[in-house]
Amino acid sequence: AQKITQTQPGMFVQEKEAVTLDCTYDTSDQSYGLFWYKQPSSGEMIFLIYQGSYDEQNATEGRYSLNFQKARKSANLVISASQLGDSAMYFCAMREVGGTSYGKLTFGQGTILTVHP
Amino acid sequence: DAGVIQSPRHEVTEMGQEVTLRCKPISGHNSLFWYRQTMMRGLELLIYFNNNVPIDDSGMPEDRFSAKMPNASFSTLKIQPSEPRDSAVYFCASSLATFAETQYFGPGTRLLVL
Repeated sequence: AQKITQTQPGMFVQEKEAVTLDCTYDTSDQSYGLFWYKQPSSGEMIFLIYQGSYDEQNATEGRYSLNFQKARKSANLVISASQLGDSAMYFCAMREVGGTSYGKLTFGQGTILTVHP
Repeated sequence: DAGVIQSPRHEVTEMGQEVTLRCKPISGHNSLFWYRQTMMRGLELLIYFNNNVPIDDSGMPEDRFSAKMPNASFSTLKIQPSEPRDSAVYFCASSLATFAETQYFGPGTRLLVL
């Protein structure tokens, strides 16, 4: 079974509007971390936001927030006030603690976001 | 502060040749990761080191791939002999050792094996 599932291969949003990128995960660990990365067309991987499994509040970093619903095992990324520069591939990733998975990041397949002017 | 440094940024080689990719992690980080990104398989972890020791190399595709970390500031990923199916972007990332710490990625090496 997929550990990280991003069901939206592509998303479109109008500039200045908000957009939600979906991510669901599968783990039996109690301790884990969830990350979002942005990969623009230039290819680099840029860290955006982190949510720990024990964090009670949703993480926020500027225009990025993470809608963490632990019972549903979802960690959706919300980008507010979209900008043209937000057009990129977005990856959700999980870092587990248990067994040989310690420290490993498992990535979803990514969502391509296109921001229209 | 310097981020993760990778070299070369681009590599074009012929099948059968040896390829060596290099990585310098962020100073003070004690975990280092090598990833490969392809259209077909997405981002996959090849190997990672903690305090220069390989912890998990289960993602290394086959014996043609090897990785070393002789000291805290340098790692190599070697492919010998290279094959066309090795064409991909190879990323190096580093972090502090605790699981909650963010992994910071280098710019990647685009490898094309002809």
